[in-house]
Amino acid sequence: DAMVIQNPRYQVTQFGKPVTLSCSQTLNHNVMYWYQQKSSQAPKLLFHYYDKDFNNEADTPDNFQSRRPNTSFCFLDIRSPGLGDAAMYLCATSRDLFRGLNYEQYFGPGTRLTVT
Amino acid sequence: AQKVTQAQTEISVVEKEDVTLDCVYETRDTTYYLFWYKQPPSGELVFLIRRNSFDEQNEISGRYSWNFQKSTSSFNFTITASQVVDSAVYFCALGNTDKLIFGTGTRLQVFP
Repeated sequence: DAMVIQNPRYQVTQFGKPVTLSCSQTLNHNVMYWYQQKSSQAPKLLFHYYDKDFNNEADTPDNFQSRRPNTSFCFLDIRSPGLGDAAMYLCATSRDLFRGLNYEQYFGPGTRLTVT
Repeated sequence: AQKVTQAQTEISVVEKEDVTLDCVYETRDTTYYLFWYKQPPSGELVFLIRRNSFDEQNEISGRYSWNFQKSTSSFNFTITASQVVDSAVYFCALGNTDKLIFGTGTRLQVFP
């Protein structure tokens, strides 16, 4: 039944050691998003893919990269994690994008990243 | 500027009380969408409702109801007869073409 799946649910990495978080979806949605959510804060959009088109938010650090090899999977790569990157990372999907029309986003359970 | 304000940081109620979560938004767009999401302790954001700017009808879904008023730029959420399982953080969000602009969330604690 799971529609947006994130693995692992908990990830511990060392300062400066690259880490990859994964997201998959069974909804066949065109759009996939990555959000960062720090404790007691709202989710912050990092970037999204509309099909194969990558859209980076202006304030997303270069340290964060993403890949979408196919419709179902999307990865978040953190090249050199710092202590400030410890957060919950949420993946979301939506059916499509049309100017003036917002489809609801469906979120995965998140991956909680700890940086030691 | 596009902005969502949830002035209530935390609300505590006793089970069976009614509770209203406030949401005020700012946008210059004439067409926009508003959303509510629930984030239980497990962390997953659960979609509750989407409402477009042309539809000001109030909506009721079981114990949940939403009051959308364009005149005051508000989209408030009421839980009737609250239950412990309603304990969560609730986010209001404004849809802007390809992204959601979230408010800071309201933490609701329902005590037995």
